Amino acid sequence: GQNIDQPTEMTATEGAIVQINCTYQTSGFNGLFWYQQHAGEAPTFLSYNVLDGLEEKGRFSSFLSRSKGYSYLLLKELQMKDSASYLCAVRDNQAGTALIFGKGTTLSVSS
Amino acid sequence: DGGITQSPKYLFRKEGQNVTLSCEQNLNHDAMYWYRQDPGQGLRLIYYSQIVNDFQKGDIAEGYSVSREKKESFPLTVTSAQKNPTAFYLCATGTGGAEPQETQYFGPGTRLLVL
Repeated sequence: GQNIDQPTEMTATEGAIVQINCTYQTSGFNGLFWYQQHAGEAPTFLSYNVLDGLEEKGRFSSFLSRSKGYSYLLLKELQMKDSASYLCAVRDNQAGTALIFGKGTTLSVSS
Repeated sequence: DGGITQSPKYLFRKEGQNVTLSCEQNLNHDAMYWYRQDPGQGLRLIYYSQIVNDFQKGDIAEGYSVSREKKESFPLTVTSAQKNPTAFYLCATGTGGAEPQETQYFGPGTRLLVL
């Protein structure tokens, strides 16, 4: 079966660094994705990892450890506009090209 | 103007009524997907299609039907058999390739409410 776990909510202050963790269990892992979703809007793609290690994209970085079934999204220099839900999703070979999503982590950034 | 369009933005359904949600894309993507999002539930896959005239059930296909007669269009019908249809419905597209980095792009969504 497939299972993806993320914390439900997190809070942080402007300018800080926050790490959102994601653990997963799949039988045919073929990539992990992070999406950002503002309230009432569609998810937008942030990053993907398929090999172990850290991928950096500006203020956002994503890390993957396939042996541990673990990923994190790191957000630096937080801004108020980063308040959103962050969705972890995996691609499983047994589900074709569709993505399997976690329930998302709602991040609230305060001043 | 390229992208994915979903219409309408808000849709109201009466008890026992079928309704159809539209999803159109001009990205020339082969694969299209329908997800449902409920508060606290994340996105759940309803149906997906990797090529015209072919589609597969996702995790929660009961009470829904789809068609893929054209590459650009993947309409979703919410039938009266779906007992709890109130949700945010998201359509997504992708190239449909097997590469791990092949990502999905989402439309703006349709919010369905039952009267």
